[in-house]
Amino acid sequence: DAGITQSPRHKVTETGTPVTLRCHQTENHRYMYWYRQDPGHGLRLIHYSYGVKDTDKGEVSDGYSVSRSKTEDFLLTLESATSSQTSVYFCAISADTGNTIYFGEGSWLTVV
Amino acid sequence: AQSVTQLGSHVSVSEGALVLLRCNYSSSVPPYLFWYVQYPNQGLQLLLKYTSAATLVKGINGFEAEFKKSETSFHLTKPSAHMSDAAEYFCAVSDGDFGNEKLTFGTGTRLTIIP
Repeated sequence: DAGITQSPRHKVTETGTPVTLRCHQTENHRYMYWYRQDPGHGLRLIHYSYGVKDTDKGEVSDGYSVSRSKTEDFLLTLESATSSQTSVYFCAISADTGNTIYFGEGSWLTVV
Repeated sequence: AQSVTQLGSHVSVSEGALVLLRCNYSSSVPPYLFWYVQYPNQGLQLLLKYTSAATLVKGINGFEAEFKKSETSFHLTKPSAHMSDAAEYFCAVSDGDFGNEKLTFGTGTRLTIIP
């Protein structure tokens, strides 16, 4: 298994509250990603990082921000959670074996 | 922009029968193509990937996929289904920019195996 740890794994929060999801990797890979998974949509890219302090937006970035102050950690923040952000969030990293992405176990977020 | 279409959100096959999961892609550049499998409450596991080498790609658990440029397809097959194959399968495409693989996923196909 790729060394990816997501926390928390499950969270219920109220609308309007801030939420931060953490992704920690032990592989020292340069690239990290946050995806969300929703029924009927597959996985969609939220934000990605190509190095410390280097991040960019993905397909569904509105309402989300990210930070990467260390190679091993990539944080996803919902500044003010909404019910539409109820989803399963997956962190992923790029392996150095060429064009392969490995995924974490997921974080289930429910916004009530 | 690249995209992926998976035909059939649900597929059921009998144990021992052929598994065929369909994937068509759209890409403006030679694509890199992937199949991932997801078991309940777990992350995605890479089954196989196509990176412009052999057009027939063999993956884990007896799965394989064939890249057909003329049909823009990358269908996943397995000759004989096993109960443990029940899962959701995702096809994905990337533009192949090494190290910056922003994958675009299909909507997934849930495979059910009938005993």
